Amino acid sequence: GQNIDQPTEMTATEGAIVQINCTYQTSGFNGLFWYQQHAGEAPTFLSYNVLDGLEEKGRFSSFLSRSKGYSYLLLKELQMKDSASYLCAVKSAGNKLTFGGGTRVLVKP
Amino acid sequence: GAGVSQSPRYKVAKRGQDVALRCDPISGHVSLFWYQQALGQGPEFLTYFQNEAQLDKSGLPSDRFFAERPEGSVSTLKIQRTQQEDSAVYLCASSSNRGRATNEKLFFGSGTQLSVL
Repeated sequence: GQNIDQPTEMTATEGAIVQINCTYQTSGFNGLFWYQQHAGEAPTFLSYNVLDGLEEKGRFSSFLSRSKGYSYLLLKELQMKDSASYLCAVKSAGNKLTFGGGTRVLVKP
Repeated sequence: GAGVSQSPRYKVAKRGQDVALRCDPISGHVSLFWYQQALGQGPEFLTYFQNEAQLDKSGLPSDRFFAERPEGSVSTLKIQRTQQEDSAVYLCASSSNRGRATNEKLFFGSGTQLSVL
């Protein structure tokens, strides 16, 4: 089975940095995805990690440690538009993507 | 079309009514997924198609839920005798993944918000 844990909610100030942690226990691992979802909208792809280490893409970075079953998404220079839910998802064998419960990030001015 | 299209955007059903939710994936995308998302929760996997073949339906919560993709493009999720606990957003996603590339990302539609009264 799959078990993916992430905090329910985080609050941060505009211009600051926020780190969203995700831990997982899965049977089979073919990569970890982060998606952003604004209220009432479709989830949109942010990042993909399959090897250990840090992937940087502009203001967003994602880290993976397969031995620890751990990932984080780092959001730098926070903007008001970054207020959204951030979904951690693990791809297992059979092309199936399993999501965590999502972390709602609230950016305050 | 440019993205994954779902219809209707909103559906209100009386308890016991049957509903059908439609998904138009991105043209040429082989894989199609249905997810159920309750308010404030992450998407929960329902079922997965590769072309017209339903390869995984382990997430369908009961035999009232049925999905099909007869020609390998448009898919329909049907819920019979709806109950209040079926109220959720139903998301459809597609990818061009033929099962060989692990980094193929899913492209999601905006979902159908189902409310069962």
